[in-house]
Amino acid sequence: DQQVKQNSPSLSVQEGRISILNCDYTNSMFDYFLWYKKYPAEGPTFLISISSIKDKNEDGRFTVFLNKSAKHLSLHIVPSQPGDSAVYFCAASVGTYKYIFGTGTRLKVLA
Amino acid sequence: GAGVSQTPSNKVTEKGKYVELRCDPISGHTALYWYRQSLGQGPEFLIYFQGTGAADDSGLPNDRFFAVRPEGSVSTLKIQRTERGDSAVYLCASSLNGGETQYFGPGTRLLVL
Repeated sequence: DQQVKQNSPSLSVQEGRISILNCDYTNSMFDYFLWYKKYPAEGPTFLISISSIKDKNEDGRFTVFLNKSAKHLSLHIVPSQPGDSAVYFCAASVGTYKYIFGTGTRLKVLA
Repeated sequence: GAGVSQTPSNKVTEKGKYVELRCDPISGHTALYWYRQSLGQGPEFLIYFQGTGAADDSGLPNDRFFAVRPEGSVSTLKIQRTERGDSAVYLCASSLNGGETQYFGPGTRLLVL
């Protein structure tokens, strides 16, 4: 039973344009959501998080949106840069320690 | 400062052998986590330590898997009688007190032949 789903395995975007990565979840008890970025042969790197009491969190070029009624979150990257090319994982937790990860979306930013 | 480190970076073993994977968390972090990532999947939670004790080991797949953290810093994940299905990247993460952002190490890639 996949509680956190990333339905797009890959995404290609032109440099300078917006990248939108999506994530859906099924457990309404999740109260903390995160995005991690992963380069090959490295561990996941924390990108941005959002608590369930908020619907938006912004950090530089990265913005996470949370729609609790739709059980959906998204990560917007504006403008996209070639160095953003990586696999992006969304994760969710109840009580903030046991992260449940999605299967990842491979983003390729084309120069 | 130094991040989470894991050794070895790669481990090849034969079916039925015993392996130990080591994790050095960020200095001062009391919470430590182990995850397993299989090909094409996201990381899957295995166990969470708060200090020396395992606060939640509900993700360990069976009794062949065991983890310790005797002094509340370095942790070792131990796998007995390895099986080919144990092949995966084993990731370790740490956080300051538990409940905050988890910082991951580079992982140990385990291959069981």
